[in-house]
Amino acid sequence: GIQVEQSPPDLILQEGANSTLRCNFSDSVNNLQWFHQNPWGQLINLFYIPSGTKQNGRLSATTVATERYSLLYISSSQTTDSGVYFCAVERSAYKYIFGTGTRLKVLA
Amino acid sequence: GAVVSQHPSWVICKSGTSVKIECRSLDFQATTMFWYRQFPKQSLMLMATSNEGSKATYEQGVEKDKFLINHASLTLSTLTVTSAHPEDSSFYICSAREPARYEQYFGPGTRLTVT
Repeated sequence: GIQVEQSPPDLILQEGANSTLRCNFSDSVNNLQWFHQNPWGQLINLFYIPSGTKQNGRLSATTVATERYSLLYISSSQTTDSGVYFCAVERSAYKYIFGTGTRLKVLA
Repeated sequence: GAVVSQHPSWVICKSGTSVKIECRSLDFQATTMFWYRQFPKQSLMLMATSNEGSKATYEQGVEKDKFLINHASLTLSTLTVTSAHPEDSSFYICSAREPARYEQYFGPGTRLTVT
C-alpha cells in the first residue's frame, strides 16, 4: 500500500522562528489534507490541498502532486503552534492514510 | 465550518464489558463516516468505514465482531467495542465528510481505558 512519510519526526523551535514540514507519499493520491493535533487530541483542519499552494495567516502549504510531496510552512511560530502535525492522503473511497507525523515544540 | 462531536470524551471500563462510542455530525449530513484508532505517540490508523443504511467495511486486520459499527442515521455512527480487553485501550477518533466538499472533519476523540 501507499507509504506516507513525514519529516522531521521531531522539531524544537524558539518562538518567532520559521519552519518547513515535509510529507512524502509513495503513489499518486486523490486528496491531501494537513492537520494539527492539539495536546487534547483534537485534529484541526489546516489545509485541504491536493495540489497547488494555499496560505492562511502564518501558515501556508504547497503540494507538488507530480513529485509526490507536500510542504507545510509555519512562520513566526508561537507556543500555541506546539503539537503534532499530520498530513493525510486519500487513495480511494475517501479513505485517508495518515503520515508518520511531526512533533513540534515551540519554546517561549 | 463543519463540526463533528463524539461522546463520551473518555471512558474507563472493566475487562470483558462492552463500550459504545457515538459520533455525530452536528451541522451536516454524512452518508459516510470513518473510525480511526491512535496509540500513544503514534499515527492514526483507519479501522473501518461506516455507511449509512448498510454494513460497515473494515480494514484488513480489524476484527469486525469486536468492533461493531452502526450508522443508523445521516448524522450518527456508533462504534461498540465488545468484550473489551486491556489491549483495546486506545484513542478512538471518528471523521465525516461533508457531501458537498472533499475534506474530512474529525471528532475530538474518545479515550478508552480497559482495566
